[in-house]
Amino acid sequence: DTEVTQTPKHLVMGMTNKKSLKCEQHMGHRAMYWYKQKAKKPPELMFVYSYEKLSINESVPSRFSPECPNSSLLNLHLHALQPEDSALYLCASSQPGTVPTDTQYFGPGTRLTVL
Amino acid sequence: AQTVTQSQPEMSVQEAETVTLSCTYDTSESDYYLFWYKQPPSRQMILVIRQEAYKQQNATENRFSVNFQKAAKSFSLKISDSQLGDAAMYFCAFQNAGNNRKLIWGLGTSLAVNP
Repeated sequence: DTEVTQTPKHLVMGMTNKKSLKCEQHMGHRAMYWYKQKAKKPPELMFVYSYEKLSINESVPSRFSPECPNSSLLNLHLHALQPEDSALYLCASSQPGTVPTDTQYFGPGTRLTVL
Repeated sequence: AQTVTQSQPEMSVQEAETVTLSCTYDTSESDYYLFWYKQPPSRQMILVIRQEAYKQQNATENRFSVNFQKAAKSFSLKISDSQLGDAAMYFCAFQNAGNNRKLIWGLGTSLAVNP
């Protein structure tokens, strides 16, 4: 069982669609992350929110727009995506400042296909 | 900049046998953390084991243990009594101590378990 949940599990969208990915964590963590992962590759960090504020944006194109409505929710709004954006999108959470480290715990991911 | 190298893209092991996955890293920092994550075909990224660099004792979690050689910058994962459910992609990751929460990932080792 995972304490980080993601919806939907699968998403197929056209290049003109607008959709959103959702992530919720039930661990009381105050940092949340979005990653993009291509097949057989490690995850690539996209965004980090710490205490509901965007702290890291890894130069992600503006067609990806993150939102953190509260400490347990994280959204990723998608608009005008390209086929190369098709990937597994992983959400993670951690508790900043914990000893020995704020270990990241991952959700099950959303498989996104852009047609 | 830190780097993480997993030199074995693919490995296989017989069920009930022991296998060791290798990981080396490069850093000039003295305080950091190392992780092994497992990602089965179900795609959930699962934390297997964590090692704090300041600890000399090797971390263990049930059938999983590490051989942490700080001077050699080596962090191998040993899986004992391998089970079919251990088949997965295994990623080694590095994290600096402090406020930077970014994980530096290796390229992964795909482990097959043969019955």
